[in-house]
Amino acid sequence: DSGVTQTPKHLITATGQRVTLRCSPRSGDLSVYWYQQSLDQGLQFLIQYYNGEERAKGNILERFSAQQFPDLHSELNLSSLELGDSALYFCASSVGGTGTYEQYFGPGTRLTVT
Amino acid sequence: QKEVEQDPGPLSVPEGAIVSLNCTYSNSAFQYFMWYRQYSRKGPELLMYTYSSGNKEDGRFTAQVDKSSKYISLFIRDSQPSDSATYLCATNSGGYQKVTFGTGTKLQVIP
Repeated sequence: DSGVTQTPKHLITATGQRVTLRCSPRSGDLSVYWYQQSLDQGLQFLIQYYNGEERAKGNILERFSAQQFPDLHSELNLSSLELGDSALYFCASSVGGTGTYEQYFGPGTRLTVT
Repeated sequence: QKEVEQDPGPLSVPEGAIVSLNCTYSNSAFQYFMWYRQYSRKGPELLMYTYSSGNKEDGRFTAQVDKSSKYISLFIRDSQPSDSATYLCATNSGGYQKVTFGTGTKLQVIP
């Protein structure tokens, strides 16, 4: 158990809908990262927050947004969902804000868009 | 061309074999190298973390980095059925740069 928690574990929704994924980092970690994992694209970095502020942005669609709250938990919002958004979404956390710190992953949220 | 290339496998070996997993990368600025293990339907778990070139050993696992050829390796000695998983290499250049992952190699260790 990495200490990173994610809810929900599974999510099934229809195209056009909006969902929110939640992540709680390990105790003491200030950085949260969001990744998307699909069969054909592997693990793709979406966005990073450090102590409440956006720190780095990857291949995140405009339909997706995220935030990190004062208690350091983070939410990833996915809107106007398309079939292609079906994937595993992972949250990771680390102590520091740079990519040199070890990242610990949560168990993921499996999103299915029908 | 992807920044990190990894043979997807699957790689099937008998129990007790030495396993060699490899990645190549294209960005010479990469300095930090990681190996993650991912069991089916689980999150990636950090196995090894190395900086720059050289070897690092942890139990049955050895990570090797050759920056001159941009080649990353993970060796597993005395492989066990419990090692059956997908292994992801990852790297970044430090600072605020993102970590780039390979697509993973699926390993199956046959009892």
